[in-house]
Amino acid sequence: TQLLEQSPQFLSIQEGENLTVYCNSSSVFSSLQWYRQEPGEGPVLLVTVVTGGEVKKLKRLTFQFGDARKDSSLHITAAQPGDTGLYLCAGSNSGGSNYKLTFGKGTLLTVNP
Amino acid sequence: DAGITQSPRHKVTETGTPVTLRCHQTENHRYMYWYRQDPGHGLRLIHYSYGVKDTDKGEVSDGYSVSRSKTEDFLLTLESATSSQTSVYFCAISETRGRGYTFGSGTRLTVV
Repeated sequence: TQLLEQSPQFLSIQEGENLTVYCNSSSVFSSLQWYRQEPGEGPVLLVTVVTGGEVKKLKRLTFQFGDARKDSSLHITAAQPGDTGLYLCAGSNSGGSNYKLTFGKGTLLTVNP
Repeated sequence: DAGITQSPRHKVTETGTPVTLRCHQTENHRYMYWYRQDPGHGLRLIHYSYGVKDTDKGEVSDGYSVSRSKTEDFLLTLESATSSQTSVYFCAISETRGRGYTFGSGTRLTVV
């Protein structure tokens, strides 16, 4: 069973601060996705990274896929209260009959005004 | 919106009764998934489908069955509900395998 470990599990910061959350595994993934989930709703896809070393930016969010494709990070610059939510990473492997993503347990981010 | 709806949004049921949750999509995506989300466990895959009448088990499939008779509908049935099946259930769809899931808004199920 492939596992994805996310850290920290909880993070509470003030508006305007920067933060980084991590997603680590001992397994290699062909792609990795990040989702944000707000209370009472399903996760919403933020980004997919597929190439080792890839960096993608989405406004104030920067996503990086590790060179060995075993880990990823999400950096938020100048966090805002609207960034509050549960951030989930999910990894996928190509080949065979794998139709499934493996999800981490998430980082719960609270941004205080 | 994304074209995926789950029903009901909330349900309370008694132990031992069968329960069916419905996922309906208007995106014509091939792949559909049922997950449960619980504190401390994250999202866990129950069953998934890779086409009409093509389904397979996930990591927590005991006590659950699924059916997909049409591309747009994926049903999850709890054959005899137990308190351990109290959870939030999410359906997800994807066009290509392993990429870009779109999730529904979830069904909060309470088994008393």
